[in-house]
Amino acid sequence: DAGVIQSPRHEVTEMGQEVTLRCKPISGHDYLFWYRQTMMRGLELLIYFNNNVPIDDSGMPEDRFSAKMPNASFSTLKIQPSEPRDSAVYFCASSLPTVNEQFFGPGTRLTVL
Amino acid sequence: QQQVKQSPQSLIVQKGGISIINCAYENTAFDYFPWYQQFPGKGPALLIAIRPDVSEKKEGRFTISFNKSAKQFSLHIMDSQPGDSATYFCAANSGGYQKVTFGTGTKLQVIP
Repeated sequence: DAGVIQSPRHEVTEMGQEVTLRCKPISGHDYLFWYRQTMMRGLELLIYFNNNVPIDDSGMPEDRFSAKMPNASFSTLKIQPSEPRDSAVYFCASSLPTVNEQFFGPGTRLTVL
Repeated sequence: QQQVKQSPQSLIVQKGGISIINCAYENTAFDYFPWYQQFPGKGPALLIAIRPDVSEKKEGRFTISFNKSAKQFSLHIMDSQPGDSATYFCAANSGGYQKVTFGTGTKLQVIP
């Protein structure tokens, strides 16, 4: 298995622009998670899905952030409009319902100028 | 009550030494305590995990010690190697819920 796939790996954009991050979970995994990692705040859970349905979005910082999972093999995290404080590494992870282990993707490093 | 507090924030250990990272939690409903290891430029990966029905779990050079009454657990890396240099996160979750609460991370550097 190729593991969790994220794209792009790096994104540099200007303040006010729309940013879309993409994730392909491991095939057969029912859970998908979006995390944000910064030096100041560590690893924060933004939202997670079970069987394509959002279960908990309490970590989404504000309305500028939205996430979708149209099918079992694809999810997006969108920031519109982006701000410099959104600069971080965004990770996607997936897991099976019967196993506690989460498998993380390589992350997308987002820089908002 | 959902926090997992981790210390130290950073740690420098000589090759061959013992690295110790400590975590504490408040939520007594937590029943699964994993440690994740993250190398620069990579996502975190599960290293070792423990359930509160045992006080210790060992896998190779890595050992988790668990103190249920104190609500504390720690990771010990014996014979630390430069290849162990990474950021380590303790974590906790409960009741089969997939939502994991992560500690703030410890950046370990093992020097030759």
